[in-house]
Amino acid sequence: GENVEQHPSTLSVQEGDSAVIKCTYSDSASNYFPWYKQELGKGPQLIIDIRSNVGEKKDQRIAVTLNKTAKHFSLHITETQPEDSAVYFCAARAGANSKLTFGKGITLSVRP
Amino acid sequence: ETGVTQTPRHLVMGMTNKKSLKCEQHLGHNAMYWYKQSAKKPLELMFVYNFKEQTENNSVPSRFSPECPNSSHLFLHLHTLQPEDSALYLCASSQDQRASGTYEQYFGPGTRLTVT
Repeated sequence: GENVEQHPSTLSVQEGDSAVIKCTYSDSASNYFPWYKQELGKGPQLIIDIRSNVGEKKDQRIAVTLNKTAKHFSLHITETQPEDSAVYFCAARAGANSKLTFGKGITLSVRP
Repeated sequence: ETGVTQTPRHLVMGMTNKKSLKCEQHLGHNAMYWYKQSAKKPLELMFVYNFKEQTENNSVPSRFSPECPNSSHLFLHLHTLQPEDSALYLCASSQDQRASGTYEQYFGPGTRLTVT
């Protein structure tokens, strides 16, 4: 089955800097890659996703890139703000009849 | 109410108790999910329902019993749990991907369960 890895487990950046969070996946059939943000005491919130037919997608300060050959995808956050501090999960799915497989999550801390 | 709601938000129960978690989605979706979230581990899918029918049971122990009376409501009945079952239980919903081809899942805030 699919295996999704996230490294490192924590990331600390200065406010205003960019943050990049990387994930790798194992199943070459995977074609859908969402990113979720989870704040303390809340459920995961879908913030951006990408399908395998595109290499990059942007939404204001966040973007996701996908490298199918290397089987990795990354979340890019520019001009980070303290409210970006949260746990970020990546996930992958290999089609409509497959389940979403999540990574373990990375804790992003933005220092004011 | 909007989105996906879950009650209660916090639950403490003894190993001999019986309790139920409730989830309601207000998004017009027809697929609902239960996930278990434990510290330092990936989200674990427990059950999937599509149009009220269970389509996936991810080898979950029988002390967890799901119920889906309609596409908007999902329950998780708990009995004789173990301390290692303490976790955040998350409900999610989506369109039925098999029919719509859309994949987005939306999560509720979760129920923090502590088994003593």
